[in-house]
Amino acid sequence: QLQLQESGPGLVKPSETLSLTCTVSGASISRSSHYWGWIRQPPGKGLEWIGNIHYTGSTYYKSSLKSRVTISADTSKNQFSLNLSSVTATDTAVYYCARDAVPGLKYFEFWGQGALVTVSS
Amino acid sequence: EIVMTQSPATLSVSPGERGTLSCRASQSVSSNLAWYQQKPGQGPRLLIYGASTRATGIPARFSGSGSGTEFTLTISSLQSEDFAVYYCQQYSNWPSFGGGTKVEIK
Repeated sequence: QLQLQESGPGLVKPSETLSLTCTVSGASISRSSHYWGWIRQPPGKGLEWIGNIHYTGSTYYKSSLKSRVTISADTSKNQFSLNLSSVTATDTAVYYCARDAVPGLKYFEFWGQGALVTVSS
Repeated sequence: EIVMTQSPATLSVSPGERGTLSCRASQSVSSNLAWYQQKPGQGPRLLIYGASTRATGIPARFSGSGSGTEFTLTISSLQSEDFAVYYCQQYSNWPSFGGGTKVEIK
């Protein structure tokens, strides 16, 4: 059974970099053609896709976040990570990691439980 | 970016009744449309993909229809566990989600 678990600091100061890691169990991120993604949800609001990564290193980012986002993968640890720089209060959200259902089709079958990150001084 | 608009924002339905949720895309997404259910404190759960195909383990009371720019999720007879927030998502282009419809008990 595939499981994803987000981890990282719950509090980040404005202008700093938000860093989260998604640990995958039940499948190897380097043994399939699936894409792995990050999606966020501000408190009480809807979902926003941030970006996807393939284990080969191919990445795709939402255009409005592209200048601040980096998604990377560590196949040796079966993890992938999100870095979001120069954060402001508007980046406060629950951050989810997820995996697409069909390789290359950008809808998500497996989701983590989410990690709340608050941007505040 | 393709903008997804869901209506209504809140749907009040009695258990056992039918619920109909709408989703509109700002441009055609063909059938590249998914629906998710989200309960408090949980990640979204995939219900429907390809506009009308139920995901694994999803009860038959959930059905999706539509193509192009207009889509519908129908819950034929609402059960207690179905009261939640529902999101549509297009994947014709880079993913974008609708704002959600909260289905609450009337």
